[in-house]
Amino acid sequence: EPEVTQTPSHQVTQMGQEVILRCVPISNHLYFYWYRQILGQKVEFLVSFYNNEISEKSEIFDDQFSVERPDGSNFTLKIRSTKLEDSAMYFCASRWSGPYNEQFFGPGTRLTVL
Amino acid sequence: GDSVTQMEGPVTLSEEAFLTINCTYTATGYPSLFWYVQYPGEGLQLLLKATKADDKGSNKGFEATYRKETTSFHLEKGSVQVSDSAVYFCARSPGGTSYGKLTFGQGTILTVHP
Repeated sequence: EPEVTQTPSHQVTQMGQEVILRCVPISNHLYFYWYRQILGQKVEFLVSFYNNEISEKSEIFDDQFSVERPDGSNFTLKIRSTKLEDSAMYFCASRWSGPYNEQFFGPGTRLTVL
Repeated sequence: GDSVTQMEGPVTLSEEAFLTINCTYTATGYPSLFWYVQYPGEGLQLLLKATKADDKGSNKGFEATYRKETTSFHLEKGSVQVSDSAVYFCARSPGGTSYGKLTFGQGTILTVHP
């Protein structure tokens, strides 16, 4: 069964460093998403991506964040200068066309900023 | 804005007990409603969904009915098993022609004892 994969599973970085979180969505999906979950809190929407551009973003997704689909396979989330409060589990998701279709989630990357 | 409210957890039950996890949502527009489950160490998996009022989603013995009059989407199961121990998330998406971002509740930890 096709699945969304994410690498790495755990990333530890120093405050101020850049990190890139990687995701490989399901191959025929058209919509891509990043969410995050700070420990003990809700899963929060960050950004959606369709047709090679950002379609919607939350207020969390400021200029420090960017997304890219560099090669038609990978979908990346970059945080330019990490802060302590960026420590969270980051989930990638993808879905086929149509608003009622489910989003398939990856297992997440745990980002720890020291 | 859009929001989802789930009952406070954690919930601890004995095997074969009846389960209810309450969920209410903001009624803006014509949302689609979802229950996702997260097993330890895994990503979020769709458990069931409903896309319009009075729809009943069901899967693996779990059920939830889209109640527009009470803006609720409570999750129920008649007889839980130890293997149902997980975190359960209620979520809504705008539905219609939106890009489908999900807004999640805070999650409910379910532990089922033999």
